[in-house]
Amino acid sequence: EAQVTQNPRYLITVTGKKLTVTCSQNMNHEYMSWYRQDPGLGLRQIYYSMNVEVTDKGDVPEGYKVSRKEKRNFPLILESPSPNQTSLYFCASSEDRSPAYNEQFFGPGTRLTVL
Amino acid sequence: AQSVTQLGSHVSVSEGALVLLRCNYSSSVPPYLFWYVQYPNQGLQLLLKYTTGATLVKGINGFEAEFKKSETSFHLTKPSAHMSDAAEYFCAVSEGTSGSRLTFGEGTQLTVNP
Repeated sequence: EAQVTQNPRYLITVTGKKLTVTCSQNMNHEYMSWYRQDPGLGLRQIYYSMNVEVTDKGDVPEGYKVSRKEKRNFPLILESPSPNQTSLYFCASSEDRSPAYNEQFFGPGTRLTVL
Repeated sequence: AQSVTQLGSHVSVSEGALVLLRCNYSSSVPPYLFWYVQYPNQGLQLLLKYTTGATLVKGINGFEAEFKKSETSFHLTKPSAHMSDAAEYFCAVSEGTSGSRLTFGEGTQLTVNP
């Protein structure tokens, strides 16, 4: 089944404790992206990647890191999480380098709480 | 820079009534426009998109949207609401074919009353 998977789905952590949220897609997609969803703010893009080893900042990159060492994986790293990073996170992928051409496929989301 | 504004964070309709969700965009080049839907506890799914050509675009589940350049709008409609349409809807814009990312609106929560 074609899909985007994220792990973990739910995570409660404490301020300053490094964490990684994994994202993997099995559709051989070029483009991958991370978003955070907050009430009243919609989805805001954190980082995106148009190809392996190519990443770029979105609208809200502060406090986050990403890497794209393999085409299928795009982990999101929070080196020192803070309470303002409590949010619902989505990973997405699309076939071409531009998400304008093709549908973005979204993962099921990761709900993160930072205490 | 591109941006999207969705008018009305919450819309409530009766089952069988017209659904109208409003979206206005700003883009420095001809835009590509999208509507995505998010059902409870799920990720987003594409409803429909406008790229070029016909300005009235039909999507899944009976939804359609019309691109109006003069009004910079891309409103989503459905003639008759169904209970299963209850979800959050997001409008998004990309700056043409070279756009490297989508910018999403704030979302509109649609409630359908029996």
